[in-house]
Amino acid sequence: KAGVTQTPRYLIKTRGQQVTLSCSPISGHRSVSWYQQTPGQGLQFLFEYFSETQRNKGNFPGRFSGRQFSNSRSEMNVSTLELGDSALYLCASRWIGGAGYGYTFGSGTRLTVV
Amino acid sequence: GIQVEQSPPDLILQEGANSTLRCNFSDSVNNLQWFHQNPWGQLINLFYIPSGTKQNGRLSATTVATERYSLLYISSSQTTDSGVYFCAVKSDSNYQLIWGAGTKLIIKP
Repeated sequence: KAGVTQTPRYLIKTRGQQVTLSCSPISGHRSVSWYQQTPGQGLQFLFEYFSETQRNKGNFPGRFSGRQFSNSRSEMNVSTLELGDSALYLCASRWIGGAGYGYTFGSGTRLTVV
Repeated sequence: GIQVEQSPPDLILQEGANSTLRCNFSDSVNNLQWFHQNPWGQLINLFYIPSGTKQNGRLSATTVATERYSLLYISSSQTTDSGVYFCAVKSDSNYQLIWGAGTKLIIKP
């Protein structure tokens, strides 16, 4: 079974630009979550999607947005990039069907804003 | 909201040593996972363990839900065990994983 796939792995953008990151979950997983990891703030929740609907959103400005497609693949977009957006962005998928199933993470996208 | 505390923050050991990492949480949870983050940033799921005990090779974990803590045991440490170990929990009242600050483990050859 293929794992969670995130693309691209690395990205360098300039302040003011926008960026789109992609996440393909494990086959059959309909829940996709996004997290931002920085040295200063640790791992912080961005949002979770289930069946193309955003179920919950973390405490991030409106520049951070996302969506999920009918095949459960998800994208997150950051507009008007700031230097502080430099981080590792991690995507996780999980199967919501009962107890015993946790989150599986992708390898992440490392974004550098210059 | 739930608070998650991990200890110790840093641990340096010689190859072959055993170690115990602790995770305390402030409220009841329905999901508790231990992850190992490798130097490339990949979060590797070690255990899904909201309660009870599990073992996988040299690693084992125990969660005592009634006392709100979990322990991760690493036996006969290898240099490849180095990295940061995170505990993350989720409760019925929220959709997100709440993370501890991690334990940075360095295994010296």
